[in-house]
Amino acid sequence: QVQLQESGPRLVKPSETLSLTCTVSGYSISSGYYWGWIRQLPGKGLEWIGMIYHSGSTYYNPSLKSRVTISLYTSKNQFSLRLSSLTAADAALYYCARLDILGPFDIWGQGTVVTVSS
Amino acid sequence: QSALTQPASVSGSPGQSITISCSGTSSDVGASNYVSWYQQRPGKAPKLIIYDVTNRPSGVSNRFSGSKSGNTASLTISGLQAEDEADYFCSSYTTTVTLDVLFGGGTKLTVL
Repeated sequence: QVQLQESGPRLVKPSETLSLTCTVSGYSISSGYYWGWIRQLPGKGLEWIGMIYHSGSTYYNPSLKSRVTISLYTSKNQFSLRLSSLTAADAALYYCARLDILGPFDIWGQGTVVTVSS
Repeated sequence: QSALTQPASVSGSPGQSITISCSGTSSDVGASNYVSWYQQRPGKAPKLIIYDVTNRPSGVSNRFSGSKSGNTASLTISGLQAEDEADYFCSSYTTTVTLDVLFGGGTKLTVL
């Protein structure tokens, strides 16, 4: 059974960089699939942040591209999200998820809440 | 790129059928056979219920069905049950070259 679990600081200061990690169990991320990040703003819909292919190719939401980096750490079976220059508008529930090429997000982590405040 | 457009809320009585629409453009929903739908119960992560416009993952009730006409995709839930009360989100790719993903704003389903 494939499972994903987000981890990282829950409180980040404005202008700083958010770093989240998604740990995958039950499947080797180097074997296939895309691995992505999605966020849900308070009381609002979902927003795709970006994703990384098992080969390392990355795809980012154009509106966030200048601030986002997604990386793979195959030895730890993890992938990460870095989002720089945070503002209050980045406070959200952040999810990691798995998807196939042109496929849906079929497995999701439980999500982690991130607050942006000094 | 704008989010896909969904009604903010829909409601129905147990046993009835409801349909949730997801409107996009000819650059996303209209051009894509890769429309998905997710169900999100309070405090839970989204759960995939429809993919590739009409397909259901294993274990998802056949009361859930998807369709698409032009730039609008739809999710129909038949035989409404209390447990169907949740938020529903649609999703589509924009173009197959850039692989951008769009989500709808979400629809709150209330079972009366």
